[in-house]
Amino acid sequence: SAVISQKPSRDICQRGTSLTIQCQVDSQVTMMFWYRQQPGQSLTLIATANQGSEATYESGFVIDKFPISRPNLTFSTLTVSNMSPEDSSIYLCSVEMDSVNYGYTFGSGTRLTVV
Amino acid sequence: GQQLNQSPQSMFIQEGEDVSMNCTSSSIFNTWLWYKQDPGEGPVLLIALYKAGELTSNGRLTAQFGITRKDSFLNISASIPSDVGIYFCAGQARGYQKVTFGIGTKLQVIP
Repeated sequence: SAVISQKPSRDICQRGTSLTIQCQVDSQVTMMFWYRQQPGQSLTLIATANQGSEATYESGFVIDKFPISRPNLTFSTLTVSNMSPEDSSIYLCSVEMDSVNYGYTFGSGTRLTVV
Repeated sequence: GQQLNQSPQSMFIQEGEDVSMNCTSSSIFNTWLWYKQDPGEGPVLLIALYKAGELTSNGRLTAQFGITRKDSFLNISASIPSDVGIYFCAGQARGYQKVTFGIGTKLQVIP
């Protein structure tokens, strides 16, 4: 299955600043998914990113706050903009495992703390 | 939207005991997935279920896709300390690729 490299693995940021998280996959994938996992909570889908088109955002998430880039079939970035302490979470990138085995592979996540 | 109820939310068990956790949905799912998340890591897929009634094993893990398509359970037999972690169920509805996650079951194994 696909292998995902996500960075940074963690960061501590000042409120009002922005952080860009990178997700690199070792194979070409059609769709990439960005999730947020708030402390002690489950995973919530932020948006789906397809190469060559704008990302599709879930209810409660907007492009101005979480702009996403998808320049090619192996790479995507998620930016958390104008951060506040409420944005402190783990952000995870995910892709489909492969064309044969159903399921989704996750990166190891970016643990963000906003102070 | 779809909601997943996962229970129990946490468990403390003795090493060697069997464990069971389950998920129920307010609507039908086409696929059920079970993940485990270790601290500081992303979730790792344990078992994927594709059709109602399906029973699938992966080592000491066994999961079933409920007949009604609205529930699934995961069993872990003869638990060991490395089973510690958070287990998430996840479901995907028919014809829509969004995956919905349960709230997770935090498993602690006492040696």
